[in-house]
Amino acid sequence: ELKVEQNPLFLSMQEGKNYTIYCNYSTTSDRLYWYRQDPGKSLESLFVLLSNGAVKQEGRLMASLDTKARLSTLHITAAVHDLSATYFCAVVLTLFGNEKLTFGTGTRLTIIP
Amino acid sequence: NAGVTQTPKFRILKIGQSMTLQCAQDMNHNYMYWYRQDPGMGLKLIYYSVGAGITDKGEVPNGYNVSRSTTEDFPLRLELAAPSQTSVYFCASTATGGNSPLHFGNGTRLTVT
Repeated sequence: ELKVEQNPLFLSMQEGKNYTIYCNYSTTSDRLYWYRQDPGKSLESLFVLLSNGAVKQEGRLMASLDTKARLSTLHITAAVHDLSATYFCAVVLTLFGNEKLTFGTGTRLTIIP
Repeated sequence: NAGVTQTPKFRILKIGQSMTLQCAQDMNHNYMYWYRQDPGMGLKLIYYSVGAGITDKGEVPNGYNVSRSTTEDFPLRLELAAPSQTSVYFCASTATGGNSPLHFGNGTRLTVT
């Protein structure tokens, strides 16, 4: 069974600071997603990471994937209040040609002015 | 382009009642998923489908049933509602493989009292 763990679960940081959210998973996978969820809203796709060493950046967010370590990171640069949200990683497990997506526990990020 | 449409948005059920949560997508996606999200928690997979006529259990299938008679629709049935099924339910879809992320509906907030 695939297990996906994120840390930290809660993160409060000041505007302008840098920080990293970690996503560890237990089984070999070739695809990982990062999502953002605002309170009371649905999930919004941020990044799709397809291979070892993949790095993607959008604005102040950068995601990377190390499939050998079974680790993905979401790095936040010079945080701004608008980035306050809950961030989820999700890992694809393919069995007998069928794909299942397992989500991490989420990291609730609060940016303090 | 409507994407993934879920109905209803909100529902209150009494213990023992039944209901169907509707989900429809207009992107011709093969894969469809049902997740539940309890307050302050991550998403847990209930059921998923890899195409019309094919469904499989996820992590928490007890108390639920699904069907997939068409590519577009993937309804979730609750037969005998219990307070433990109070949650927000998200339907999602994606194309097979590749770098396509999950597209989520806006969710159905269900309360069982």
